[in-house]
Amino acid sequence: GNSVTQMEGPVTLSEEAFLTINCTYTATGYPSLFWYVQYPGEGLQLLLKATKADDKGSNKGFEATYRKETTSFHLEKGSVQVSDSAVYFCALTLNTNAGKSTFGDGTTLTVKP
Amino acid sequence: DTGVSQDPRHKITKRGQNVTFRCDPISEHNRLYWYRQTLGQGPEFLTYFQNEAQLEKSRLLSDRFSAERPKGSFSTLEIQRTEQGDSAMYLCASSLDRTTDTQYFGPGTRLTVL
Repeated sequence: GNSVTQMEGPVTLSEEAFLTINCTYTATGYPSLFWYVQYPGEGLQLLLKATKADDKGSNKGFEATYRKETTSFHLEKGSVQVSDSAVYFCALTLNTNAGKSTFGDGTTLTVKP
Repeated sequence: DTGVSQDPRHKITKRGQNVTFRCDPISEHNRLYWYRQTLGQGPEFLTYFQNEAQLEKSRLLSDRFSAERPKGSFSTLEIQRTEQGDSAMYLCASSLDRTTDTQYFGPGTRLTVL
């Protein structure tokens, strides 16, 4: 089946630190990969996505590269801010399964000033 | 605001009661998804509509659960004879036509079964 494994949290960083949240996946076909963010009290928001191998998704200073050879889609940001504190979810969608998404369990990031 | 909306945002009910949730997708979106999210976990797929047709249901969706999208616009999710294990956040998402189109999520309905 399909699954997504995320680095366990919580992750606590100081402002301006470098962020990496690891994500690996298994899929029965060729997936599209996503990172979603959930701020406190809000719904899931798409942060970035990549639909084919070697694509890099980027948004708001966050980046992730679709690595087919290592089945990974790690999220990175060079300098985090307090406002980046949130829960981050990695997810995949297969073109062959109606677009339903399989999510990881989320990683909670807390950035301290 | 033209995003996905869900109603109610919170629902507290007693075990054995029926509850119904509503989702209003983005108006031009043909696809509508329901997910369930429990504390500390990611969302899990429940069911999916293409316009008014319910095309797939997860094995997570027991016979007590039913979903409709009668006119291809809003959708309802009903849970009959609620159990404490049904306590969760119920999320709705919508997207355009293709499986690769971005899903936009609503704020969710938090259900607590006492």
